[in-house]
Amino acid sequence: AQSVTQLDSHVSVSEGTPVLLRCNYSSSYSPSLFWYVQHPNKGLQLLLKYTSAATLVKGINGFEAEFKKSETSFHLTKPSAHMSDAAEYFCVVSVRYNFNKFYFGSGTKLNVKP
Amino acid sequence: DTGVSQDPRHKITKRGQNVTFRCDPISEHNRLYWYRQTLGQGPEFLTYFQNEAQLEKSRLLSDRFSAERPKGSFSTLEIQRTEQGDSAMYLCASSPSSVGGSQETQYFGPGTRLLVL
Repeated sequence: AQSVTQLDSHVSVSEGTPVLLRCNYSSSYSPSLFWYVQHPNKGLQLLLKYTSAATLVKGINGFEAEFKKSETSFHLTKPSAHMSDAAEYFCVVSVRYNFNKFYFGSGTKLNVKP
Repeated sequence: DTGVSQDPRHKITKRGQNVTFRCDPISEHNRLYWYRQTLGQGPEFLTYFQNEAQLEKSRLLSDRFSAERPKGSFSTLEIQRTEQGDSAMYLCASSPSSVGGSQETQYFGPGTRLLVL
């Protein structure tokens, strides 16, 4: 079975400070892992993905995530937050044998203070 | 725009009415997924199509829900006898299935927000 736990429902940072959004996953098979962002009244946008290649994955807008199998984690980071990063972020796991259907975490709302 | 499109974007209906939503995937994508997102939650899988074949349905998809993809292109999701608990955002996503392609990545439409009064 597959599942995702996003450890923080809300994270608040000041503009220019680092961002850390935490995600732990559970999977019976080798997983693919994703981070998507959802801005208000906008669709889900892919930030980055891990599909068994390099464990450190770089995405759009300066975000990156590291796949750590021993810790079953896939935390999302950014060195310096921007006001435009304020949104909801979803960690997702999928496996090929299961039609690649997505299992979403419950989301983390990122607030960026000026 | 060549992304995934959904219609309508918003739907308000009265309890007991039937509603139908449409999804147009990215044209070369064989795989199509429907998800439901309720307030404060992440999206949950409803059903999956490979071309015109519906290969999996979640237990969330009660007998009041039906989905089709008749020609392997656009898809429709119908809810019969709507209930207030059906109020949610309904998301459609598509992905390619070619070997070596980014078949794992799903591209999402903007969603249809349903409110059942």
